[in-house]
Amino acid sequence: DTAVSQTPKYLVTQMGNDKSIKCEQNLGHDTMYWYKQDSKKFLKIMFSYNNKELIINETVPNRFSPKSPDKAHLNLHINSLELGDSAVYFCASRDRGTNEKLFFGSGTQLSVL
Amino acid sequence: DAKTTQPPSMDCAEGRAANLPCNHSTISGNEYVYWYRQIHSQGPQYIIHGLKNNETNEMASLIITEDRKSSTLILPHATLRDTAVYYCIRVQGGSEKLVFGKGTKLTVNP
Repeated sequence: DTAVSQTPKYLVTQMGNDKSIKCEQNLGHDTMYWYKQDSKKFLKIMFSYNNKELIINETVPNRFSPKSPDKAHLNLHINSLELGDSAVYFCASRDRGTNEKLFFGSGTQLSVL
Repeated sequence: DAKTTQPPSMDCAEGRAANLPCNHSTISGNEYVYWYRQIHSQGPQYIIHGLKNNETNEMASLIITEDRKSSTLILPHATLRDTAVYYCIRVQGGSEKLVFGKGTKLTVNP
């Protein structure tokens, strides 16, 4: 069983389109994250949700809108995709009550043409 | 700002110990040291963490200096599968986010 699963694994789309990436965790964790890894391999936090509530928004453009229907899911919707959005997006989760041990998904490679 | 300093790259022979250093000279008393690694095309993976005592688990050992200004991650018998980027991160207890730096690219050679 995959602990943190993301779909799709690859996403190729045109500029201006709207796309979504889904994330689910079966670990019973209450906190979930989205990280972005750009072409230079820097891994940057985008959002954090705790029990469906937004905790962290790292000055991400409004075109990015996370949605958490329940604490096991954190989806990322991106409007009006731009070339600079091309990156690998990682979902992660952790048990907020313990420590900072994050469990990451395998990533979604987004390519905007 | 990751606030840790790591060498950009290191090499290690298969079967030998890999010792990865990290400098965190401005670490405060309530900040932990966490280590993650990212194998190519995969998500980061937690390895180990510590506050001031040395720690060991099935993956690695973490040695933290007495003044806590630096630490060393030790992979006792490196294998080819340990080739990855290793990140040393300082985290305040109860913090909501991990800030990743550039890490050390470890290459294990046959």
